[in-house]
Amino acid sequence: SQTIHQWPATLVQPVGSPLSLECTVEGTSNPNLYWYRQAAGRGLQLLFYSVGIGQISSEVPQNLSASRPQDRQFILSSKKLLLSDSGFYLCALLGRGVRGNTIYFGEGSWLTVV
Amino acid sequence: GDSVTQMEGPVTLSEEAFLTINCTYTATGYPSLFWYVQYPGEGLQLLLKATKADDKGSNKGFEATYRKETTSFHLEKGSVQVSDSAVYFCALTELGRRALTFGSGTRLQVQP
Repeated sequence: SQTIHQWPATLVQPVGSPLSLECTVEGTSNPNLYWYRQAAGRGLQLLFYSVGIGQISSEVPQNLSASRPQDRQFILSSKKLLLSDSGFYLCALLGRGVRGNTIYFGEGSWLTVV
Repeated sequence: GDSVTQMEGPVTLSEEAFLTINCTYTATGYPSLFWYVQYPGEGLQLLLKATKADDKGSNKGFEATYRKETTSFHLEKGSVQVSDSAVYFCALTELGRRALTFGSGTRLQVQP
C-alpha cells in the first residue's frame, strides 16, 4: 500500500530563516505529488504539484519553492520565511484506482514563523 | 473554475445527535466528490467518496449522496460521538485535473 512520510512534524522558525520540509512516498512509482497548505481559519490551498522528477508546477505565486530530486521525494523550501508562511503543510500523492483517483495525505508539518 | 462551498462552522452537537454538513459545488465537467476528515493534531484522511450521480459513499457511519441535480454532496451521520470531533473538508476533482479543489472546512464539536 502507498505510504507518505513527512518531516519535521512541527517546527518554529524565525522570520527570514530558511525552510525545508521533506516528503517521501513508498509503495508506488512515478506518483503525482502535491504540497498543500492550510492556514489558520482557512481551507486547503494547493501550492505545488509534480508529475515527475524535476517537473514542478506552481499554483500560487509566493515565497515558497518546491523541488523533486528523486521519483519518491518532494521538498518544500523557502530562502526567507515570512510570518504569513505559518500554517499546516500537507504532502499528498495521487492514488489511481479502478473507480477513479483519490488524493492521499501525509500527517502534515506544523510551521510557526515567529 | 471549480469551487466547493461548505457551511461555516463550528457545528456544535450533543452526543447521539444527527449531523448534516452541507456541501455544494460548481464544476465544468463531471467531478468525483470526496469528504476528508482532519482530527485534532493529525493530517487529512479520506472519509468517503462518490464518483457518479446518485452514488452514496459511506464509512464509519457517515454517508453522502452525489446529487447532480442540486450539485450537492451533504455529509450525514445518524448519531455522532465525541470522537467524531474534527474538521471536515468537502472536495472535488475532475477527469484530467491533477489535484483536488477543497472547501474551507467545517469544524464539528461533539459534546458529551
